[in-house]
Amino acid sequence: GESVGLHLPTLSVQEGDNSIINCAYSNSASDYFIWYKQESGKGPQFIIDIRSNMDKRQGQRVTVLLNKTVKHLSLQIAATQPGDSAVYFCAEPKAAGNKLTFGGGTRVLVKP
Amino acid sequence: SQTIHQWPATLVQPVGSPLSLECTVEGTSNPNLYWYRQAAGRGLQLLFYSVGIGQISSEVPQNLSASRPQDRQFILSSKKLLLSDSGFYLCAGSPQGRNYGYTFGSGTRLTIV
Repeated sequence: GESVGLHLPTLSVQEGDNSIINCAYSNSASDYFIWYKQESGKGPQFIIDIRSNMDKRQGQRVTVLLNKTVKHLSLQIAATQPGDSAVYFCAEPKAAGNKLTFGGGTRVLVKP
Repeated sequence: SQTIHQWPATLVQPVGSPLSLECTVEGTSNPNLYWYRQAAGRGLQLLFYSVGIGQISSEVPQNLSASRPQDRQFILSSKKLLLSDSGFYLCAGSPQGRNYGYTFGSGTRLTIV
C-alpha cells in the first residue's frame, strides 16, 4: 500500500558514481511500473516505465530492472550528477482502474 | 501530451477559512484526475480521484472535498481549514484505461496558520 507516514531513506552518492535505487512491490499481478523523480518544491516527473513482459529498459543515463520472481524493481542512474538530487518514487497500478500505488520514496543526495 | 496546470503555487490561510484549489488539464480529453497530499519529507497520499464529470471517489476520510464541474477541471475544497490540512497538494492526470503513468502539476504549498 502507500507508504505515506514514513520518513524517506536517503542515498548519498559521489558525483560521477552510479546510483541504484530499489523498490519492492507487493502485487504479483502488477504488469506496469513507473519511476518518478521529484525535485524539492516541485511535482513528480516521469522518468521511465517498464511493462512486465520486459526485465530491463534503458533511457538516457537511467536503466530500470524488473525482477518478477522476487517482486523487485530498481532504478540505476549512471554517472550521477548534482541535478539528479531528488526524491525518487516507484509506482504500480492498483488492482482496478488506473490508480497507482506509490512507494515511500528514496532521497538521493549527490555530493560534489 | 498532457499538461496539468495548478494554482496558486503557495497559499497561507488562517484556521477556519475556506479553501479552493483549482487544477486544469490540457492535451487530453476525458482524463482520470487525482488529488494528492504530501507532508514534508513524506510520500504521496491519494485524497480523491475522478474518472469523469461529477464522479468523485474519496480515498481517505478528511476535512476536504473535491468536485469536477467540467471534463478538464478538478477542484479541491474545504469549508473550514484545520492546522492538519497543511501540506503540499498535487493534482495529477492520466488517460482513461490501465497502465498509463500520471502527469503531475507543479503543486500548491498550503500553510494553515
